[in-house]
Amino acid sequence: GAGVSQSPSNKVTEKGKDVELRCDPISGHTALYWYRQSLGQGLEFLIYFQGNSAPDKSGLPSDRFSAERTGGSVSTLTIQRTQQEDSAVYLCASSLQDGGWEKLFFGSGTQLSVL
Amino acid sequence: GDSVTQMEGPVTLSEEAFLTINCTYTATGYPSLFWYVQYPGEGLQLLLKATKADDKGSNKGFEATYRKETTSFHLEKGSVQVSDSAVYFCALRVDRGSTLGRLYFGRGTQLTVWP
Repeated sequence: GAGVSQSPSNKVTEKGKDVELRCDPISGHTALYWYRQSLGQGLEFLIYFQGNSAPDKSGLPSDRFSAERTGGSVSTLTIQRTQQEDSAVYLCASSLQDGGWEKLFFGSGTQLSVL
Repeated sequence: GDSVTQMEGPVTLSEEAFLTINCTYTATGYPSLFWYVQYPGEGLQLLLKATKADDKGSNKGFEATYRKETTSFHLEKGSVQVSDSAVYFCALRVDRGSTLGRLYFGRGTQLTVWP
């Protein structure tokens, strides 16, 4: 596709359930990021994949959060035993180093609501 | 650690007013600086960037100058339009050699422009 695609666009779940969020980056982009956007909290970094390097997981808020990137392309963010404070918009972005600097392309996000 | 602090919103202006959104940063290395914009219902997109001290990034009438002495990257526009209403994010990235670092975002500043 032409841009970063995320699915689902909206997800409503019950507290304690597991959820999986999917990101299809732009083809050929080597870097992939997950961010979380909460009302009044701005953008919170979660995890960063760059090529074949070990991912930077320093932003994951707890061990209930995990992410993988298969074949250097599609990524899945998994939240286990969801809590109400997990409610947020989860944004995925991919990038391609271009001329020595990196331009990030964001998807439209997945709105997660935990009831 | 690396971080970005930006002016809290919301900012409300009349059309053709002058805009400044302040952004200061803390970085352990020599960062590249960015402004991203999120229009209502859309994903984030890059607005402008600067990669070294005294560089001025500009796009769509917006400008920001990389000031190393004051560790700032304030966003300005001489005459705002209703269509500029959006959330603006300041961001930085510190690269380590040939390895691109991750982006650190500020909390975002909501701008509303009235006709």
